[in-house]
Amino acid sequence: DTGVSQDPRHKITKRGQNVTFRCDPISEHNRLYWYRQTLGQGPEFLTYFQNEAQLEKSRLLSDRFSAERPKGSFSTLEIQRTEQGDSAMYLCASSPQGFSYEQYFGPGTRLTVT
Amino acid sequence: QKEVEQDPGPLSVPEGAIVSLNCTYSNSAFQYFMWYRQYSRKGPELLMYTYSSGNKEDGRFTAQVDKSSKYISLFIRDSQPSDSATYLCAMSVYNFNKFYFGSGTKLNVKP
Repeated sequence: DTGVSQDPRHKITKRGQNVTFRCDPISEHNRLYWYRQTLGQGPEFLTYFQNEAQLEKSRLLSDRFSAERPKGSFSTLEIQRTEQGDSAMYLCASSPQGFSYEQYFGPGTRLTVT
Repeated sequence: QKEVEQDPGPLSVPEGAIVSLNCTYSNSAFQYFMWYRQYSRKGPELLMYTYSSGNKEDGRFTAQVDKSSKYISLFIRDSQPSDSATYLCAMSVYNFNKFYFGSGTKLNVKP
């Protein structure tokens, strides 16, 4: 088990472009979370999946953001029409059923919007 | 008002000192309280968790929760330079559908 992986690790894009990030959780972890973290701040919750169902989504999340977790395995986070304010580290975490307080974080995808 | 407040520091201490890190929160429904450590350009890693009020000890680390005051603490004894990192508190209600993080306290332990 190699832990939570995220791809790409870095992404530079121009304002207005769409970007998609991928997260592969630890196998058999049915809970998956996406967070956004900016410099000097803690992770900000974006959305939560239990298996393939998206059960929670931040009210602060713009309609430009969408996430999927088909078949309850990997997940993707898409940002449409990126803005400079979207520049941040996007973190994915997974946790097992029964020990749901144990979030295992991936290394993150650092997005820079120019 | 943020759900979770944490002093951003930075906090600089000499090696061997006792470190006290704190968070306050406003939502009385929080039941699970976690502390994470985050090194630069890495994802956070879980250090400790506590359910409801009380103390929990793990090696050099002690976590305390006072639900009546909505205040949690992490104590690090005999701090080491390798403890230099950002420490994040996090909280959740019973169903773990959402976690709320503090802004993090940056700790520097000087040799």
